[in-house]
Amino acid sequence: EPEVTQTPSHQVTQMGQEVILRCVPISNHLYFYWYRQILGQKVEFLVSFYNNEISEKSEIFDDQFSVERPDGSNFTLKIRSTKLEDSAMYFCASSERVAGGRNEQFFGPGTRLTVL
Amino acid sequence: AQKVTQAQTEISVVEKEDVTLDCVYETRDTTYYLFWYKQPPSGELVFLIRRNSFDEQNEISGRYSWNFQKSTSSFNFTITASQVVDSAVYFCALSGASTGTASKLTFGTGTRLQVTL
Repeated sequence: EPEVTQTPSHQVTQMGQEVILRCVPISNHLYFYWYRQILGQKVEFLVSFYNNEISEKSEIFDDQFSVERPDGSNFTLKIRSTKLEDSAMYFCASSERVAGGRNEQFFGPGTRLTVL
Repeated sequence: AQKVTQAQTEISVVEKEDVTLDCVYETRDTTYYLFWYKQPPSGELVFLIRRNSFDEQNEISGRYSWNFQKSTSSFNFTITASQVVDSAVYFCALSGASTGTASKLTFGTGTRLQVTL
């Protein structure tokens, strides 16, 4: 069964460093998302991406964040200068192209980012 | 703005008991979709069900059932004869219906279910 994959599973970095989180969405999906979950808290939307551009972004997704689809399979989230408060689990999700919002979003296993 | 409220932070039951997880939502959209996801201790998010706003039929899938009531803006989830493997955090989520664009999910704060022997 096709699934969303994410690498690495755990990333430890120093404050101020740049990190790139990678995702491979399900191959026939056209909508891509990043969410984050601070430990013990709810899952929060960061950004959605369709047709090679950002569809929507949340207040959390400030200038330190960027997303890219560098090739036909990868979808990346870059944090330019990490802060302590960026420590969280980051989930990538993808969904098919269907009319309306009835798209099930399938989530990857997550990347746990720890900023020291 | 959309909002999902899961008032139950944590529920603890003994195996074989039935348990209902509550979800109340707010939205101005006339068409919207509701979801339940399971997050086991391993951390991944597992899709359980999607309901659309114009279909209020209850749904049953094995030991799981969902009760959608538009009049009270609720989408509750019942596990019958709970098992230890049901122990997880369960999230209710909501999305609007946007044609041709990605629809973000708004999650509730989750309910941690602990099933013991």
